[in-house]
Amino acid sequence: NAGVTQTPKFQVLKTGQSMTLQCAQDMNHEYMSWYRQDPGMGLRLIHYSVGAGITDQGEVPNGYNVSRSTTEDFPLRLLSAAPSQTSVYFCATTGGLSYNEQFFGPGTRLTVL
Amino acid sequence: DQQVKQNSPSLSVQEGRISILNCDYTNSMFDYFLWYKKYPAEGPTFLISISSIKDKNEDGRFTVFLNKSAKHLSLHIVPSQPGDSAVYFCAARHSGGSNYKLTFGKGTLLTVNP
Repeated sequence: NAGVTQTPKFQVLKTGQSMTLQCAQDMNHEYMSWYRQDPGMGLRLIHYSVGAGITDQGEVPNGYNVSRSTTEDFPLRLLSAAPSQTSVYFCATTGGLSYNEQFFGPGTRLTVL
Repeated sequence: DQQVKQNSPSLSVQEGRISILNCDYTNSMFDYFLWYKKYPAEGPTFLISISSIKDKNEDGRFTVFLNKSAKHLSLHIVPSQPGDSAVYFCAARHSGGSNYKLTFGKGTLLTVNP
């Protein structure tokens, strides 16, 4: 039981490049979210999903795209990377008997040059 | 406009003493509050939570107090241990919302000195 896994752990991009951050969970949770953490800013919600095929925007969605084709996976796409997207990205899940808390993945540290 | 505020970026305490981490919120529609602990290079982990219908919740060494009239909550760790050294985030859920849409504070770095 791996919980929430994220790949890659680290990534360096050039401005304008695109990439996908992967998130997978094996807890059969229906809800999944993406957050970014910046120094002195706490965690801010980017996008979330309440089930396969259903996604919505969070607090800071611009420049990011998501899709949810399966319960297990919730990839986050950067369409055209910008230096302002340099951050640590966390995926989180919740649901079932654990509805009152979110389980976070280990994070992806992204640097955009 | 920051709706969840942790005004102390850092806190240092001696091992065995009490650690008190504070959190203030501005949105009266928040109905559920959570504390997360985060070690470097790891994701946040859930620590303890409290519903707005309660004023205290206790779990071992950790107790969270909620003062709704003051829109203030605090996390007490007694006794503090060096392994408690981490960043602590306060988070809140909007009434009618769900825990996949949490609003986080900026965090407080707790250092427990041996």
